[in-house]
Formats: sequence, C-alpha cells, structure tokens
Amino acid sequence: GDSVTQMEGPVTLSEEAFLTINCTYTATGYPSLFWYVQYPGEGLQLLLKATKADDKGSNKGFEATYRKETTSFHLEKGSVQVSDSAVYFCALRSKGGNEKLTFGTGTRLTIIP
Amino acid sequence: NAGVMQNPRHLVRRRGQEARLRCSPMKGHSHVYWYRQLPEEGLKFMVYLQKENIIDESGMPKERFSAEFPKEGPSILRIQQVVRGDSAAYFCASSESGENTIYFGEGSWLTVV
Repeated sequence: GDSVTQMEGPVTLSEEAFLTINCTYTATGYPSLFWYVQYPGEGLQLLLKATKADDKGSNKGFEATYRKETTSFHLEKGSVQVSDSAVYFCALRSKGGNEKLTFGTGTRLTIIP
Repeated sequence: NAGVMQNPRHLVRRRGQEARLRCSPMKGHSHVYWYRQLPEEGLKFMVYLQKENIIDESGMPKERFSAEFPKEGPSILRIQQVVRGDSAAYFCASSESGENTIYFGEGSWLTVV
C-alpha cells in the first residue's frame, strides 16, 4: 500500500538557517505529493503541492521538487523565520482523483531567534 | 468562500458518553474525509464519504465509531461510549469531485475524562 516516510524530528534551527525536511514515498503509479503545515492548536494548511514528476511546488519561500527517480519530495527553505515554527506533514494522494491522503508522521520544526 | 467548518472546536466527555462531531465541507465539495490525530502523532485516515454513501471506511475502528454524510446537512462523526483512548484531534477535510487538493478544517479536540 501507499506509505510516506518523513524525517523524524524535532528539528531546531536558528533564524535564517537553511532548512531541509526529507520525505520519501512508496506508491503504485504516480501520485500527487503535498506538504501541509500545522501551527500550534490549529488545523492543517496546504503549503505546496506537485502533481507530476519534476514539478516544483513553492509557497512562502518553501520549495519541494517531485523526484520520481528517488521517490522523494524534500521540503526546503533558504532562510527560516521564527514564524515558520510548526509541524510539517508530507502526504501523497494516489491518482484516481478521489483517493484519501496518506501522511507521514510529521516533523516538528522550532526556529530560535 | 468559507472553508471547511468543524464544530465543536473543543469537546469534553466523560467515559461512556457519546461524542458527535460535525463537519460542513467547503461550498461545492461533495467528498468528505475524517482523520484522527493522537497526541504527538501524525494523522490517520478514518473514513471517506460522499453524499449518502460511505466510500472507504478502512480506518474506522470496528466498534463504537460511525460516520454519515446525509443529503442535507453536515457530515457527522459519532463516537459511542467514549473511552480515554478516544481523546484526540479529529480533522475533517473536503474536496471537489476530481479535484486534486483536499482542504482541512481546524479540527475538533475531544477530551475524555
């Protein structure tokens, strides 16, 4: 079945540091890939997505590229801010349009000033 | 366009009581998903519904849990005879038919005392 393996946290970085959160997946066919972010006490917000190989999703300075050859969708940001502190979830959705999302376990990110 | 609306946001129940969680999908969305997030864990799929139909309930516990999405009104997740282990955040999400992206509500936090 589908699965997502995500870099374990917690991750603590200083402000303006470079961020990478690794995500790899197993799926039949070619799924769509997503990063969601959850701020404390809130629900999940879609951060970015990619629907086919070599697509790059980007939003708020975050980027992730759909790499079919390595089945990866690593999240990156060049310079993190304190306000980026949150839990980040990698997820996939198999093609078919209406399938459920399968999530990784989440990575808690804390940025210190 | 209002997002996915969940209520109540916080619910406290004594062991043995019933919990009912409601979810109104985004306007125009006919697909509803329920996920559970246990403390410090990722999101686990519970059930996927369309209007008046359960499409996939592979993540639902076999007993005490049920879900519906009637022709009119919100989707309901019902937990009978709650136990302390049911304490969690329950997230509802919705999507359009054939739409790639799933949008989440802000969650309902259930505490069983």
